[in-house]
Amino acid sequence: NAGVTQTPKFQVLKTGQSMTLQCAQDMNHEYMSWYRQDPGMGLRLIHYSVGAGITDQGEVPNGYNVSRSTTEDFPLRLLSAAPSQTSVYFCASSYRDRGSLGYTFGSGTRLTVV
Amino acid sequence: LAKTTQPISMDSYEGQEVNITCSHNNIATNDYITWYQQFPSQGPRFIIQGYKTKVTNEVASLFIPADRKSSTLSLPRVSLSDTAVYYCLVGAFAGGTSYGKLTFGQGTILTVHP
Repeated sequence: NAGVTQTPKFQVLKTGQSMTLQCAQDMNHEYMSWYRQDPGMGLRLIHYSVGAGITDQGEVPNGYNVSRSTTEDFPLRLLSAAPSQTSVYFCASSYRDRGSLGYTFGSGTRLTVV
Repeated sequence: LAKTTQPISMDSYEGQEVNITCSHNNIATNDYITWYQQFPSQGPRFIIQGYKTKVTNEVASLFIPADRKSSTLSLPRVSLSDTAVYYCLVGAFAGGTSYGKLTFGQGTILTVHP
């Protein structure tokens, strides 16, 4: 089924560990983004990409790295996990020139850092 | 991107029409207004987008006055399954072209009662 696929769905990390959250889309969308959502809060933009090889920072980029080597994939890397990064992470993608169709979001990755 | 203001929460009953208003006094000429819906433990889902006057689809209607400083999302005859958080976003798209990132506010928690 077409859409945005995020893996893993759940993850527990120890403080200081590193990991990569995977995001893949099969809709040939140019734009992809990563958000985090904390309890009782809206979504905050971490990083986004307007095409392969192009990334930029959002509101809360510290502690996270991204790269976009292909149109389909946009992984999010946590270099040294901290308890403050405990959150639900959402990946989203959209067309550039058909922006009126909105963004498609993945089902999320629930991350706990202990 | 224009800042938006929405009510934090609303309550309704099954079968009623619900109207959620969003204020966006600083909307730019090229900005579009977009609404997303988010159920618990899921990513946001695009509902509707408009530029001016009225837009209607199978899910909702969007009313935008001439000055475009506010907009109203209308959900006809809500059911329990419409209980969700509703986000109003301004900007991000202009003339069908995405700017590449979405900025979410706190959203409105809609609770539908039996």
